[in-house]
Amino acid sequence: DSGVTQTPKHLITATGQRVTLRCSPRSGDLSVYWYQQSLDQGLQFLIQYYNGEERAKGNILERFSAQQFPDLHSELNLSSLELGDSALYFCASSLSGKMDEQYFGPGTRLTVT
Amino acid sequence: AQSVTQLDSHVSVSEGTPVLLRCNYSSSYSPSLFWYVQHPNKGLQLLLKYTSAATLVKGINGFEAEFKKSETSFHLTKPSAHMSDAAEYFCVVTHSGTYKYIFGTGTRLKVLA
Repeated sequence: DSGVTQTPKHLITATGQRVTLRCSPRSGDLSVYWYQQSLDQGLQFLIQYYNGEERAKGNILERFSAQQFPDLHSELNLSSLELGDSALYFCASSLSGKMDEQYFGPGTRLTVT
Repeated sequence: AQSVTQLDSHVSVSEGTPVLLRCNYSSSYSPSLFWYVQHPNKGLQLLLKYTSAATLVKGINGFEAEFKKSETSFHLTKPSAHMSDAAEYFCVVTHSGTYKYIFGTGTRLKVLA
């Protein structure tokens, strides 16, 4: 158990809908990362937050947004969902967000029908 | 700029034989390097990390990796494969000049009985 929690574990929704994925980092970690993993694209970095501030951005679509709250939990919002958004979404956390190891949550499996 | 290349997308070994998963990196600064393992439908788990201390790094489950600056490599090895080692392995690079972590495309390890 990495200490990173993600909810929900599974999510099934229809095209065009909006969903919110939630992540709680390990106790003491200030940085949160979001990743998308699919069979055709592999593991893609989406975005990183550090202590509430956006720090780095990867291949995140404009339909996707994220934030990190004062209690350090983070949410990833996915809107106008398309079939291609079906994937595993991972959250990871690390102490400082620079050169330290990341600890990954178990993931949220999103299925868009 | 930084990049990481995992030289084999698939590796098959027999149980009890050595494992070698190859990773080459490119980094403008002194890198930090990591190996993660992902079992099916699970989150990524840290195996080991290199952060400019000893060049031979020991990790969990009998894995180790050697940092070779002259060859820009960070190959992962294990003397004797176990069936439970069957998984996907990711090599990751970062450095002090960036907040971004670059993930390799992964190597799927198959262990034959």
